[in-house]
Amino acid sequence: DTAVSQTPKYLVTQMGNDKSIKCEQNLGHDTMYWYKQDSKKFLKIMFSYNNKELIINETVPNRFSPKSPDKAHLNLHINSLELGDSAVYFCASSPQSGGGYNEQFFGPGTRLTVL
Amino acid sequence: DAKTTQPPSMDCAEGRAANLPCNHSTISGNEYVYWYRQIHSQGPQYIIHGLKNNETNEMASLIITEDRKSSTLILPHATLRDTAVYYCIVTGNQFYFGTGTSLTVIP
Repeated sequence: DTAVSQTPKYLVTQMGNDKSIKCEQNLGHDTMYWYKQDSKKFLKIMFSYNNKELIINETVPNRFSPKSPDKAHLNLHINSLELGDSAVYFCASSPQSGGGYNEQFFGPGTRLTVL
Repeated sequence: DAKTTQPPSMDCAEGRAANLPCNHSTISGNEYVYWYRQIHSQGPQYIIHGLKNNETNEMASLIITEDRKSSTLILPHATLRDTAVYYCIVTGNQFYFGTGTSLTVIP
């Protein structure tokens, strides 16, 4: 069974479109995350949700809106896509949000290409 | 969260031990040291973590200095499949990935 899954795996779209990436975890974790990995391979956290509530929101444009219908799902909706949004987006989950031991489990990634 | 410093790249002969260093001189008392790796463009994969003591699991060993300002990840018998980018992360509340070390295992 896949612990953290993302759909789609690849997403190619035109500038200005709106798109969503879905993430699901079956680990029973309370916290989920979205990361962005750009062309220089730098992996940066975007959002963190704990039990459906936003707890981390790094400096991310308002065009990015995470939505968590339940604690097993964290979807990422992107409005008015721009060329610079092209990247690989990773979803992750962890048992808790706080300090201490908090291993994160990552999904396989979604490669977004904006033309 | 503490910053980490890792060499950008390393080579290791297949079958030999790979020792990957990490400096985290500003680590605070309750922050753990985690190691992850990323093979190609797959999702990062957990390897090992530790707080103060050295740790070993089926994948690797983690040696943390007594002052906790640096650590070394040891892959005891590197294989070609261990070629990846290895990230050392020191964290309290969230993960900040640095640039990592690109390890190439050479046949």
